[in-house]
Order: sequence, then structure tokens, then C-alpha cells
Amino acid sequence: AQSVTQPDIHITVSEGASLELRCNYSYGATPYLFWYVQSPGQGLQLLLKYFSGDTLVQGIKGFEAEFKRSQSSFNLRKPSVHWSDAAEYFCAVGAPGTYKYIFGTGTRLKVLA
Amino acid sequence: EPEVTQTPSHQVTQMGQEVILRCVPISNHLYFYWYRQILGQKVEFLVSFYNNEISEKSEIFDDQFSVERPDGSNFTLKIRSTKLEDSAMYFCASSDRTGAAYGYTFGSGTRLTVV
Repeated sequence: AQSVTQPDIHITVSEGASLELRCNYSYGATPYLFWYVQSPGQGLQLLLKYFSGDTLVQGIKGFEAEFKRSQSSFNLRKPSVHWSDAAEYFCAVGAPGTYKYIFGTGTRLKVLA
Repeated sequence: EPEVTQTPSHQVTQMGQEVILRCVPISNHLYFYWYRQILGQKVEFLVSFYNNEISEKSEIFDDQFSVERPDGSNFTLKIRSTKLEDSAMYFCASSDRTGAAYGYTFGSGTRLTVV
């Protein structure tokens, strides 16, 4: 069965520091991979997605993610975090031929001024 | 930027009551979804809907749940007889392409509290 693991429940970084949020998935083939962000009181906003091709994908708000097949990982990165990046981040997997996503449990990011 | 709109943002209902959660998807989207997030837990898929019928549903989506597109703009989720464990944030989403490949646009959610 498909599953998504986000090992870090909470992460705290200082503004201007780099960020990496981890995501590991379990799936028999290469799934579709997504990162979503949820700010307080807001919906889930798509940051970036991976289907195939270049394993480094660029998203909105300066985020990028790298797909590593050998590690079954799709980690989210940002070189310099801004205070407005404080939010909850969800990794999600979509299986080809289905309509649904499997979400991870989320990582809550706190940014220190 | 086009948005998925959900109303109400928060609804409180008594156990056993019927509740209808409403969503207005993006106007040119054809695929519609409901997800829920129980406090502190994962976002879980409930159902997908296309061409006026359910295309996929999860084990959670039992006979107590139903979805409908009553007109050209609204997409609703009905829970017939609410239970305490139905308390959650419910997200509506829509997409213009089939399947899980392209990324949905989610609404901001309806927080349902069953008392």
C-alpha cells in the first residue's frame, strides 16, 4: 500500500537560514509527488509537483524539491527562510490511474526572527 | 487567481443531525474532491466526483456520506446522521484534469464540530 512519511513533526529555523523538510514515500513505481503548504486558517496551497523528468523541481515562493528514487524521498528545500514561511507543510503522493492523494502527517515550521 | 470557495468556515451540529457542506469549485474544473483532516491527524481522501458520478471513494465514505452537484456551480458533501468522530476539517478541491497527476486546488476548509 502507498504511504507517506514526514519524520519531522516540528521544525524551528531562524529567518535567513536554509530549510530542508523530509518526505519519504512507499510505492511500487514512481508516483506523482507533491508538496502543499497550509497557513493558519487557510486551505492547502500547491508548492510544487513532480511527475517525471528532471529530478529537481522548482516551485513557488522560492521552494524546490529533489526526487531521489534510490531513497524514495522527495525533500523540500529553501535556501533562505522568511518569517512568512511559517506554516504546516504536507507531502503527498498520487498514484497513476487513481484520483486520490495520500498525505503525510505534516511538518509544522516555526521561523524565529 | 481562481479559488475554491467553501461555506461555512465553521459549523457546529448536534450528533445525529444532518449536515451539508458546500463548495464552489473553480468554474472550468470538471473533477471535484472532498478530503478531511481530523485534528492532529493526516489529511484523508474521501471521494472524487466527475461527470455527475463518484469516480473513486475511500473506506471512510460510507452510506452516511453523499455528494452532489445540484447545479452548475456548487458541489456538496452531506453527512446524514453525524457522529462525534465526524468532527474534522473538511476540504473541497477541484482540478481541470483527470487523476492524481496534476495537482488540485483546495478550498480553505469547513471546520465541522459535532457535539
